[in-house]
Amino acid sequence: AQSVTQLDSQVPVFEEAPVELRCNYSSSVSVYLFWYVQYPNQGLQLLLKYLSGSTLVKSINGFEAEFNKSQTSFHLRKPSVHISDTAEYFCAVRGNTGGFKTIFGAGTRLFVKA
Amino acid sequence: DADVTQTPRNRITKTGKRIMLECSQTKGHDRMYWYRQDPGLGLQLIYYSFDVKDINKGEISDGYSVSRQAQAKFSLSLESAIPNQTALYFCATSTRAADTQYFGPGTRLTVL
Repeated sequence: AQSVTQLDSQVPVFEEAPVELRCNYSSSVSVYLFWYVQYPNQGLQLLLKYLSGSTLVKSINGFEAEFNKSQTSFHLRKPSVHISDTAEYFCAVRGNTGGFKTIFGAGTRLFVKA
Repeated sequence: DADVTQTPRNRITKTGKRIMLECSQTKGHDRMYWYRQDPGLGLQLIYYSFDVKDINKGEISDGYSVSRQAQAKFSLSLESAIPNQTALYFCATSTRAADTQYFGPGTRLTVL
């Protein structure tokens, strides 16, 4: 079984500042890791994912996350945030050996201030 | 047009009423899911379906039922709604690899 802990429920930050949203997971098997983003009044959409290969994965809008197996973490970072990044971000994990169930964290609300 | 649609988008109902939430997809995916989102709890899986004849309970299926009418349609029913079923409900789809889920816009349900 897998579990996910997002360490911050809310992260306020000023525009153009860097941000890190923290995610830790636990699993007895190897995993796939995901970050999803939910903009106001919308469904979740995939931001980035780690399946295998390079441990650093990037999104098209400047976010990146690094899979750290020893620390069982998959923190999300952006060097300079924009007002439009205001949203809720969900970390998720899925075992990669058969199975399908994706476990979602409780979410981190990122609020970017002008 | 959206790939995953949900109807209605908002619904207010009373305790004891039967409610159906509908989900349709044009992505051609085999797998469909119903989730419930509550503030601070993330998403919890209610039911999932691998194909039309394969339906399974998730972690919080009590009080809910589903129907997979076709590959593209997956409905969630609350047979007798209760106030603690007030939540945001999402439908999602995925391929068999299930490495990415595609979500609908959600249905906000309020049970008075």
